[in-house]
Amino acid sequence: SQKIEQNSEALNIQEGKTATLTCNYTNYSPAYLQWYRQDPGRGPVFLLLIRENEKEKRKERLKVTFDTTLKQSLFHITASQPADSATYLCALDSGAGSYQLTFGKGTKLSVIP
Amino acid sequence: KAGVTQTPRYLIKTRGQQVTLSCSPISGHRSVSWYQQTPGQGLQFLFEYFSETQRNKGNFPGRFSGRQFSNSRSEMNVSTLELGDSALYLCASSPQGPRGGTDTQYFGPGTRLTVL
Repeated sequence: SQKIEQNSEALNIQEGKTATLTCNYTNYSPAYLQWYRQDPGRGPVFLLLIRENEKEKRKERLKVTFDTTLKQSLFHITASQPADSATYLCALDSGAGSYQLTFGKGTKLSVIP
Repeated sequence: KAGVTQTPRYLIKTRGQQVTLSCSPISGHRSVSWYQQTPGQGLQFLFEYFSETQRNKGNFPGRFSGRQFSNSRSEMNVSTLELGDSALYLCASSPQGPRGGTDTQYFGPGTRLTVL
């Protein structure tokens, strides 16, 4: 069966360090993978999209990698700040014609001052 | 542009009742997806509508239904509410929907449903 796993439910890091979050998937052949941020009581907010033929994507302090052989995406936040504290979700499309995004359960990141 | 709006924001119902939630997408977006979010299961896909047609449905019982109107606004209905239906219900809109393209989902703030 299809499965998306994000490495841990919670991750605590010190301010200024790089946070690395992992998203692994099985039995998917996604055309792309997306990362979202969700703050308590709010809907997720889109951060980055990476396509299957792209290895890496950057946006300011954010970097995403996508390895379709390992079936894994890594999400990095460099020079992390307390304002980066949130839950981060990865999402995959379920294949051509599926009209559906499937989300991982998320990793709650806490950046400690 | 105004973002995705959902009404009501909070709702308390009792078991056996039914509920209707509303979602207004971003202007020009024709796809609306609905999700249920709970602490244990995370964000789970309910269904997606495009131009008034349901294109995909998640693994939820028939008590969960939805529709989309010609102005792209969407409603979802849950009948015969159960305690386990307590959740945050999120809708998301996009221009074309998640078809393996570049459409990202723009989420509303959600409706917090509590079933007593």
